[in-house]
Amino acid sequence: EAQVTQNPRYLITVTGKKLTVTCSQNMNHEYMSWYRQDPGLGLRQIYYSMNVEVTDKGDVPEGYKVSRKEKRNFPLILESPSPNQTSLYFCASSPRRTEHNSPLHFGNGTRLTVT
Amino acid sequence: GDSVTQMEGPVTLSEEAFLTINCTYTATGYPSLFWYVQYPGEGLQLLLKATKADDKGSNKGFEATYRKETTSFHLEKGSVQVSDSAVYFCALSGSLEYGNKLVFGAGTILRVKS
Repeated sequence: EAQVTQNPRYLITVTGKKLTVTCSQNMNHEYMSWYRQDPGLGLRQIYYSMNVEVTDKGDVPEGYKVSRKEKRNFPLILESPSPNQTSLYFCASSPRRTEHNSPLHFGNGTRLTVT
Repeated sequence: GDSVTQMEGPVTLSEEAFLTINCTYTATGYPSLFWYVQYPGEGLQLLLKATKADDKGSNKGFEATYRKETTSFHLEKGSVQVSDSAVYFCALSGSLEYGNKLVFGAGTILRVKS
């Protein structure tokens, strides 16, 4: 089954304790992206990757890191989490596009709470 | 920059009622427009899309028409069901230099009562 898998689904942590949210897709997609969802703000892009070893900042990259060492995986790293990073996070992927109309495939989300 | 504005919710309807969720956008160039749906506890799923002016996207009884003159992409359904209860996001695909970036509206919660 074609899917984007995120882990964990729920995570509670404390300020400053490094964490990683994993994302893996089995569709051989070149493009992957991370979004955060906050009430009243919709989804905002954190980072994206056009291909292996190619990553770039989205709209809200501060406090986050990513890596793309393999095509299927795109982990999101919070080196020193803070309470304002409490949010619902989504990973998404799509085939490399020639026009900007390829739909994104989303994972089921990771709800992060930083106390 | 590009932006999407959706009507605020929650929207509460009785089963079989008519649904409209308004969406307007601001963008340079000619974006593609999307509606995504998020069911409780799940990620977003593409509901429908339109890639050029006057295109009508449709799926599962939902429709939306790309109106360039009014910069709108309103979502409609003639008869909603309880199973349509979800959060609906309008989105546009921004400029090519930013990859496949989607710009989302804030989302509209739909609740359908039996």
